[in-house]
Amino acid sequence: DTGVSQNPRHKITKRGQNVTFRCDPISEHNRLYWYRQTLGQGPEFLTYFQNEAQLEKSRLLSDRFSAERPKGSFSTLEIQRTEQGDSAMYLCASSPRSGENQETQYFGPGTRLLVL
Amino acid sequence: GENVEQHPSTLSVQEGDSAVIKCTYSDSASNYFPWYKQELGKRPQLIIDIRSNVGEKKDQRIAVTLNKTAKHFSLHITETQPEDSAVYFCAASPSYNFNKFYFGSGTKLNVKP
Repeated sequence: DTGVSQNPRHKITKRGQNVTFRCDPISEHNRLYWYRQTLGQGPEFLTYFQNEAQLEKSRLLSDRFSAERPKGSFSTLEIQRTEQGDSAMYLCASSPRSGENQETQYFGPGTRLLVL
Repeated sequence: GENVEQHPSTLSVQEGDSAVIKCTYSDSASNYFPWYKQELGKRPQLIIDIRSNVGEKKDQRIAVTLNKTAKHFSLHITETQPEDSAVYFCAASPSYNFNKFYFGSGTKLNVKP
């Protein structure tokens, strides 16, 4: 499968613990996005990277959240001191550098987080 | 920022009938409108998109129409099949920040055989 991949697919943790998710974009896609999706809602934008630079962060991304893309390839999203309200599906997407489909975002399967 | 509203939240149709899902947006600068299909437990998949320089786009049984004046766009699925059952999301992206998608809240489509 040459699409966007995310690991782990599921994560159960206790409140107060830290968790880290990984996203591997489609090869040669230079833009990478993180979204959060709660039950019955559409994805909500969290942040995006162009290469290794984090260019925009949503107000939804509190101080407990941090995202990195150190080499402009894979990205990690860390949540510190998790709260029950963090329970959601975390989706990653990527877009190609240029061309006709540069606006299109291709999504990964997501990481479902449950905070107990 | 942009606000996208989607209706209906659930839609049940008989196999072979047509289904229409509607979205409205608030930011007149939005110029890219993708539609995603998400089956239970799977990733959102792009099924069709439209840019503001056209009013309609069709791909086999799926079509999307855009009314820029009224700021609404619709997804039309004809000859529905049970495998069309899924949650459909519309999104809008402003020209000044095409990296940021604003999604509707989704429509759960159920196609009854």
